Amino acid sequence: GDSVTQMEGPVTLSEEAFLTINCTYTATGYPSLFWYVQYPGEGLQLLLKATKADDKGSNKGFEATYRKETTSFHLEKGSVQVSDSAVYFCALSGAGGGNKLTFGTGTQLKVEL
Amino acid sequence: GAVVSQHPSWVICKSGTSVKIECRSLDFQATTMFWYRQFPKQSLMLMATSNEGSKATYEQGVEKDKFLINHASLTLSTLTVTSAHPEDSSFYICSAPWVAGGGYEQFFGPGTRLTVL
Repeated sequence: GDSVTQMEGPVTLSEEAFLTINCTYTATGYPSLFWYVQYPGEGLQLLLKATKADDKGSNKGFEATYRKETTSFHLEKGSVQVSDSAVYFCALSGAGGGNKLTFGTGTQLKVEL
Repeated sequence: GAVVSQHPSWVICKSGTSVKIECRSLDFQATTMFWYRQFPKQSLMLMATSNEGSKATYEQGVEKDKFLINHASLTLSTLTVTSAHPEDSSFYICSAPWVAGGGYEQFFGPGTRLTVL
């Protein structure tokens, strides 16, 4: 079945540091890939997505590229802020995105001054 | 944007009682909703797919008699945890798909924290 593997946290960074959170997946066909963010006390929010190979999703300074050859969708940000502290989930779904999502275990990010 | 609400946001109940959690799509209609369970510091586990006007589809290992799902209208799905026990304590999250950015996107409720004493 489909699965998502992402790096374990917590990850602690200083403000303005470079962020990478690794995510790899196993799926049949051509899934859509997502990064969701969960801020403390809030529900999950879509951060970015990519629906086909070589697509780059980007939002709020975060980026991730759909790499079919390495089945990866690593999340990056060039300069993190304290406000980026949250839990980040990598996820995949079948075509269309309306199907059920398979999540990774989540990576907690803490950004300090 | 599409908004999904959940009620209550948290609930504490005694062992053996039943608890109902509501999931509402506030500004769109959803023929399908999804229910997830999230354990502390762990991922979201899909429990079931709620289908408006028909039976829910449960994931393997999820007891359908324990977690009753009713999708009574195009904007409301309910999850009832029957005869709750401490091991049912968890964070329950629902989501509903809606059109966004040229395709469908899942919109999540804020979650319901259930504590069973």
